[in-house]
Amino acid sequence: AQSVTQLDSQVPVFEEAPVELRCNYSSSVSVYLFWYVQYPNQGLQLLLKYLSGSTLVESINGFEAEFNKSQTSFHLRKPSVHISDTAEYFCAVTSLNYGGSQGNLIFGKGTKLSVKP
Amino acid sequence: EAGVVQSPRYKIIEKKQPVAFWCNPISGHNTLYWYRQNLGQGPELLIRYENEEAVDDSQLPKDRFSAERLKGVDSTLKIQPAELGDSAVYLCASSTRTSWWHEQFFGPGTRLTVL
Repeated sequence: AQSVTQLDSQVPVFEEAPVELRCNYSSSVSVYLFWYVQYPNQGLQLLLKYLSGSTLVESINGFEAEFNKSQTSFHLRKPSVHISDTAEYFCAVTSLNYGGSQGNLIFGKGTKLSVKP
Repeated sequence: EAGVVQSPRYKIIEKKQPVAFWCNPISGHNTLYWYRQNLGQGPELLIRYENEEAVDDSQLPKDRFSAERLKGVDSTLKIQPAELGDSAVYLCASSTRTSWWHEQFFGPGTRLTVL
């Protein structure tokens, strides 16, 4: 079975500081990894994804995540956060080789990022 | 392009009452998902449809939950009777199979409170 662990439930940071949101996964098969973001009173939106190729993936708003197969991690980073980055971030995993659950997303519990002025 | 539409946004009911949630996916998306998100948790899949066929309902508590997608477009998720533990946010998502991996687009959810 697959699982996702987000190690921090809440991360408070000051504006313009760097941030890292941690995500570890467990799976016996090859995985595909995602970060979704949920802004207040909005639905989840895809932030970035790793499917294959380069292990470092980037979003359009400055976030990046690196797939580390040996450490089974997919941590999300941003060198300088803005107030507008305040949201809840969910790490998710799926596999295309998992029988009837092919393509289904398994989510972590989420990390609430709070950016303070 | 309109996103995934869900209604109602909020629902408060007493236990043992029935409740229904409605979802209208993005036009052209043939895959539809219902998730439940408990407080402090990530979304958990309840059921996935490919057009009008439920292809994965292994996590749907079938004693009280039911879902339908009669014409392969809109979908309804029903709970009858509701229990206190059903209080959660119910999310609908949709995707298209034009690529080998298909991004899921989520609606804003319906927040259910069972008293």
